Amino acid sequence: AQKITQTQPGMFVQEKEAVTLDCTYDTSDPSYGLFWYKQPSSGEMIFLIYQGSYDQQNATEGRYSLNFQKARKSANLVISASQLGDSAMYFCAMRSSGSARQLTFGSGTQLTVLP
Amino acid sequence: DAGVIQSPRHEVTEMGQEVTLRCKPISGHNSLFWYRQTMMRGLELLIYFNNNVPIDDSGMPEDRFSAKMPNASFSTLKIQPSEPRDSAVYFCASSRDSNTEAFFGQGTRLTVV
Repeated sequence: AQKITQTQPGMFVQEKEAVTLDCTYDTSDPSYGLFWYKQPSSGEMIFLIYQGSYDQQNATEGRYSLNFQKARKSANLVISASQLGDSAMYFCAMRSSGSARQLTFGSGTQLTVLP
Repeated sequence: DAGVIQSPRHEVTEMGQEVTLRCKPISGHNSLFWYRQTMMRGLELLIYFNNNVPIDDSGMPEDRFSAKMPNASFSTLKIQPSEPRDSAVYFCASSRDSNTEAFFGQGTRLTVV
């Protein structure tokens, strides 16, 4: 079975600062993918970034980067130069072949960017 | 490009009534997911289809819930009879294949009174 853990229910960050949202995962499968999604107050789920288990480099997408530490089974999201519009719920998710490739989500972290 | 389309966006129904939620995945995607989101339980995977075949329905709460995918461009989630505890936002998502990211629809907010 696969499991995603997000230990930070809520985080605050000052505008223009960087913030790291934690995510740890558990799977026995050697092949898996890790994803981050953003859910603003309007409710839609927005895909942000993807990291494959065999990728040698950490994924980056604009101001988003994924700090992938395979040995520690962590996939933290780093948001640089935070903006007020980054205030939202952030979910970490995983797919692995051992769980029939279903997409499993963590409990989420509510990020608030302060002006 | 059209994203995942869900209908209706909002549904209010009385307890005991049948509810049908609809989803049109992104064209060319072969994986489809139904999720339920509540404050108490977060995002729960209800069922996962691959190439129109249900792969994992272990998240379906009980026999009152059923899901179908008759073809690659349409899926339904049915609740019969509905109960107040079914009130939640139901999301449909699709992905191109079993390795890539999933894209979500806008969700259906279901209220059972």
